[in-house]
Amino acid sequence: ETGVTQSPTHLIKTRGQQVTLRCSSQSGHNTVSWYQQALGQGPQFIFQYYREEENGRGNFPPRFSGLQFPNYSSELNVNALELDDSALYLCASSLESAVDSGNTIYFGEGSWLTVV
Amino acid sequence: AQKVTQAQTEISVVEKEDVTLDCVYETRDTTYYLFWYKQPPSGELVFLIRRNSFDEQNEISGRYSWNFQKSTSSFNFTITASQVVDSAVYFCALSDYTGTASKLTFGTGTRLQVTL
Repeated sequence: ETGVTQSPTHLIKTRGQQVTLRCSSQSGHNTVSWYQQALGQGPQFIFQYYREEENGRGNFPPRFSGLQFPNYSSELNVNALELDDSALYLCASSLESAVDSGNTIYFGEGSWLTVV
Repeated sequence: AQKVTQAQTEISVVEKEDVTLDCVYETRDTTYYLFWYKQPPSGELVFLIRRNSFDEQNEISGRYSWNFQKSTSSFNFTITASQVVDSAVYFCALSDYTGTASKLTFGTGTRLQVTL
């Protein structure tokens, strides 16, 4: 086990609705990243939070937003859901610094989102 | 741009066979990190190994071994005497430091099926 926990594990939403996914990072880790994994694909980077600030973002529209809390837990919010948002959403935590240290990124089990 | 190619979409072997999963990467960075993750049906990405670009020594961990060749931009993964429990999707990933955030660029994965 990685110590990264996510909730909910599975959910079904209707197109146009909004969803919030939650993540608790591994103890001591100050950085949380979110990835989207469509069926049959590798995970794609959505964004990263470090010390409660978004410090990096992938090629995802603004309707994908997030938060990081003082205890380093995090939320991913997706507004105006589309059918293509159906995917496994993975949260990852790591211990980052101001430079690229190549620290290992540990993933949770993910939240399976189905948009109908 | 960073790119990871896993040309083998699916591999099927019989238990106790050796199997090699290929990974080829592209990067302009001189310092970078390579990773392998295992993804069982549950969805969690399980960390297997991290290798930095300055360390070309092969590594062995039990039945697992990794061959890193900078000259060919490859980081291949071999499972010796495969077992049914090795059945999973395996992802190769490359670190990408944006100046503020560290993210992983994944390949599309190789599905390994080990049968009795």
